Amino acid sequence: DSGVTQTPKHLITATGQRVTLRCSPRSGDLSVYWYQQSLDQGLQFLIQYYNGEERAKGNILERFSAQQFPDLHSELNLSSLELGDSALYFCASSVGQLSYNEQFFGPGTRLTVL
Amino acid sequence: TQLLEQSPQFLSIQEGENLTVYCNSSSVFSSLQWYRQEPGEGPVLLVTVVTGGEVKKLKRLTFQFGDARKDSSLHITAAQPGDTGLYLCAGVWGSNYKLTFGKGTLLTVNP
Repeated sequence: DSGVTQTPKHLITATGQRVTLRCSPRSGDLSVYWYQQSLDQGLQFLIQYYNGEERAKGNILERFSAQQFPDLHSELNLSSLELGDSALYFCASSVGQLSYNEQFFGPGTRLTVL
Repeated sequence: TQLLEQSPQFLSIQEGENLTVYCNSSSVFSSLQWYRQEPGEGPVLLVTVVTGGEVKKLKRLTFQFGDARKDSSLHITAAQPGDTGLYLCAGVWGSNYKLTFGKGTLLTVNP
């Protein structure tokens, strides 16, 4: 158990819909990272927040957005969903703001878009 | 865009065999990490290497960082079924805050 929690574990929805994925970092960690993992693309970095502020951006689509709240939990919002958005979405957390600090990954949310 | 290439993509061996997987980039890493991911779980950090030529050992796993800091290898001695999983390398370049992952090597160790 990494100490990072993600909900829900599984999510099945239809194209065009909007979903919200939730992540609670390890106690004391200020950074939250979001990743998308698919068979063809591997593990892709989406976005990082540090203490409530956006810190780094990766291959995140405009249809996707995220935020980190004062209690440090984070949400990833995915809208206008397409079939190709089906993937595993991981949240990770670390103490500092540098991504080479050890990142602790949650168990992931498996999103299926039908 | 920085790219990490991992090889082989798939590896299936018998228990007790040795194996090596590789991670390469055309650019110099600031640091490189190896993760292991089991089915249905998130990746777990195994090691971080920073210095060119560095060698780190974790029980039966030996990690090497190339002298030029453009490549790394993971060697497993006497593999066991519990070593089965997806081995991912991840690198950071310069002051880039983004950790970029390779696509991984899927290792299966058969009893």
